[in-house]
Amino acid sequence: QVHLVQSGAEVKIPGASVKVSCKASGYTFSGYYMHWVRQAPGQGLEWMGRINPNSGGTNSAQKFQGRVTMTRDTSITTAYMELTSLRSDDTAVYYCARGSDYDDTGWFDPWGQGTLVTVSS
Amino acid sequence: QSVLTQPPSVSGAPGQRVTISCTGSSSNIGAGYDVHWYQQLPGTAPKLLIYGNINRPSGVPDRFSGSKSGTSASLAITGLQAEDEADYYCQSYDSSLSDVIFGGGTKLTVL
Repeated sequence: QVHLVQSGAEVKIPGASVKVSCKASGYTFSGYYMHWVRQAPGQGLEWMGRINPNSGGTNSAQKFQGRVTMTRDTSITTAYMELTSLRSDDTAVYYCARGSDYDDTGWFDPWGQGTLVTVSS
Repeated sequence: QSVLTQPPSVSGAPGQRVTISCTGSSSNIGAGYDVHWYQQLPGTAPKLLIYGNINRPSGVPDRFSGSKSGTSASLAITGLQAEDEADYYCQSYDSSLSDVIFGGGTKLTVL
């Protein structure tokens, strides 16, 4: 059974960084892209970027370029997303989601349970 | 503003049929990129509902169906049930942005 388990909620002050983890199980970790999507309170879904766990190559949305870093540790089948220079409007639930294959046009399934990141002074 | 446009809300009585539209442009849906749909129940993570425009993952009832034509796609739900009350999102890819894109989401209310 494919499963993604994310790290717990975080509270950060403006200007800080946050690193969210996503532990994968039940499939070949290096065989599928891992995507990151966020959802601000009461808002829709926003794609942040993805990592190829096999090569470590990444592609991020223009909005987040320079602020987001996606990495992975294949030995423990875990992906990470770090967002820097946090602002109050970065307050959101952050999701990891497995891509359908090595294709940015594919679908996401399954999704992690989400990690709430609150940015507040 | 989302690149893919969805109605903010739709509603229907139990047993009825509703459709949710997802309108794009020539750089995404109109360029031939697939559309995928997700259901998000309150307080939970999104769940894949339709992939590749028309395909249902195992376990998704056949009351849910997808279609695509030109620069738009649609999700149809027949035989509405109270448990269908949720937010629904479409997703595709945009070649001008080189980004994955989502619709703004549609809240379905079962009357």
